[in-house]
Amino acid sequence: DAGVTQSPTHLIKTRGQQVTLRCSPKSGHDTVSWYQQALGQGPQFIFQYYEEEERQRGNFPDRFSGHQFPNYSSELNVNALLLGDSALYLCASSSQGRVDTFGSGTRLTVV
Amino acid sequence: EDQVTQSPEALRLQEGESSSLNCSYTVSGLRGLFWYRQDPGKGPEFLFTLYSAGEEKEKERLKATLTKKESFLHITAPKPEDSATYLCAVQAESGGGADGLTFGKGTHLIIQP
Repeated sequence: DAGVTQSPTHLIKTRGQQVTLRCSPKSGHDTVSWYQQALGQGPQFIFQYYEEEERQRGNFPDRFSGHQFPNYSSELNVNALLLGDSALYLCASSSQGRVDTFGSGTRLTVV
Repeated sequence: EDQVTQSPEALRLQEGESSSLNCSYTVSGLRGLFWYRQDPGKGPEFLFTLYSAGEEKEKERLKATLTKKESFLHITAPKPEDSATYLCAVQAESGGGADGLTFGKGTHLIIQP
């Protein structure tokens, strides 16, 4: 049974560019959450998607946006990249409030 | 605002030397407290969920406990493969079913042979 899969695994972008990260949830899960983890820090909640709508949002600017598709997969978009956006971006899936299952993440480096 | 503070930030133990990790939290109504393990370059791996004060859960050499203000992760006779960063997170009661987690910074645990 495949768990949460994220792509790409690594990415290098230039300041000011835009990036799209992708996530496929674990089979049977309908809720997707995105987290940002800076080096040496715990994950920070960005937002959560359920039934193709943003259900909850953390303290992140509007440059961070997302989408959930009918098959429950999700995308995270970040516009106007800043050096401070360099981090590990984690996708987690869950169903009916059960425990979040995390993917291995996408390592984004902004230069 | 929900907050989670973990201590110590780093801990180095000898193999077999038992210890405890602390997680202090403030949350506007606790739905659940979670412990995760994270290996370098990987996503967090679920260990335990605790829901109410007094609850305890065990898995192999790990035991998690919960009070109204903090949680402890006790590690008994650890082995080198227990080396990892241990993350604590809280989930708050909220309307609309939303359940994003608030994480602490983690405790980086090293077990020396």
